[in-house]
Amino acid sequence: NAGVTQTPKFRILKIGQSMTLQCTQDMNHNYMYWYRQDPGMGLKLIYYSVGAGITDKGEVPNGYNVSRSTTEDFPLRLELAAPSQTSVYFCASSYGQAGAKHFGDGTRLSIL
Amino acid sequence: AQRVTQPEKLLSVFKGAPVELKCNYSYSGSPELFWYVQYSRQRLQLLLRHISRESIKGFTADLNKGETSFHLKKPFAQEEDSAMYYCALGAGTYKYIFGTGTRLKVLA
Repeated sequence: NAGVTQTPKFRILKIGQSMTLQCTQDMNHNYMYWYRQDPGMGLKLIYYSVGAGITDKGEVPNGYNVSRSTTEDFPLRLELAAPSQTSVYFCASSYGQAGAKHFGDGTRLSIL
Repeated sequence: AQRVTQPEKLLSVFKGAPVELKCNYSYSGSPELFWYVQYSRQRLQLLLRHISRESIKGFTADLNKGETSFHLKKPFAQEEDSAMYYCALGAGTYKYIFGTGTRLKVLA
């Protein structure tokens, strides 16, 4: 039981490039989330999903897109990378909407 | 406005000393509060939640609605308690607001 797995762990992008951050969970959780954490700040919710085929915006969705074609996978896409998107990205899942969240190890993304 | 405040970025204590990590929240509804911990090179994980009223690794936290606080306490700190601690507020549906975190360093 791996829990929540994120790839890659680190990535450097040039401005304007695109990439997809992968997230998969093996706990059959319906709820999945993407957060970003900037230095000295708390985690901010980017997008969330309440089940396969259903996604919605969180607090800071601009510049990102998500999809949820299966219960297990919840990839986060950056279409046109900008320096403001330099951050650490965490994927999480939970059984219920207000329940304890299980986090991945995070992806450290730098955009230069 | 919904908010979680952890006033200390860094808290250093000596081994065996009591620890109190502060968390204050602002929320008009009925809050659900959590403490998460991130040990070095490990992922963020749930430490405890207020509805469980449990003690995990010697830590306890009591919800004080009058003072809107959910401070994390341990009577005798251990070196292995050194980590980042995040307070989180469950504010309905998907909303889950995190504090900025407090780094606890337990000195030998």
